[in-house]
Amino acid sequence: ILNVEQSPQSLHVQEGDSTNFTCSFPSSNFYALHWYRWETAKSPEALFVMTLNGDEKKKGRISATLNTKEGYSYLYIKGSQPEDSATYLCAFWGYAGKSTFGDGTTLTVKP
Amino acid sequence: SAVISQKPSRDICQRGTSLTIQCQVDSQVTMMFWYRQQPGQSLTLIATANQGSEATYESGFVIDKFPISRPNLTFSTLTVSNMSPEDSSIYLCSVESGSDTEAFFGQGTRLTVV
Repeated sequence: ILNVEQSPQSLHVQEGDSTNFTCSFPSSNFYALHWYRWETAKSPEALFVMTLNGDEKKKGRISATLNTKEGYSYLYIKGSQPEDSATYLCAFWGYAGKSTFGDGTTLTVKP
Repeated sequence: SAVISQKPSRDICQRGTSLTIQCQVDSQVTMMFWYRQQPGQSLTLIATANQGSEATYESGFVIDKFPISRPNLTFSTLTVSNMSPEDSSIYLCSVESGSDTEAFFGQGTRLTVV
């Protein structure tokens, strides 16, 4: 069983704050790391697909970094807005072709 | 990308009954995946559904409890059989894009068993 851990489990911030959370995963047999945003009553939405050590990806105010050697990825949100409130999931893909999801970080942004 | 229509979006069912969840994809895909998220837990893969062959189940999941159909390349169903309150979860279907393994999900089915 692969261990994919996300921290913190939940986070409450004020509008305008910047925040970050962590996904840790096995450093061996790495193929890809995905980040998803899952809003209540909606489909999980892919944010980033990261494959190379040192990858940094950005989409608007959200960015992510990847360190495959030490087995972690950070997701950053700059200037959080209430519409950023969601659960953020990471998923580890190994070469066996199956994904393992973390438990998610639930972000609540207060106006 | 792929657009997936999943239904029902939610249901409340009596224990001992069965519920069939449907997923329709707007394009042909080889594999479809079924996940479950129990309260407070991570998304867990139930099975992979291939068209024309039996589904492949993950450890802890069996065909008698979660029968899957895959009659063509755009449609699949998952049945939750003989339900108990422990089956109360969100069930999601998913497909992958080409080489980068990005996944696309249905809207989910929120099941409550009473």
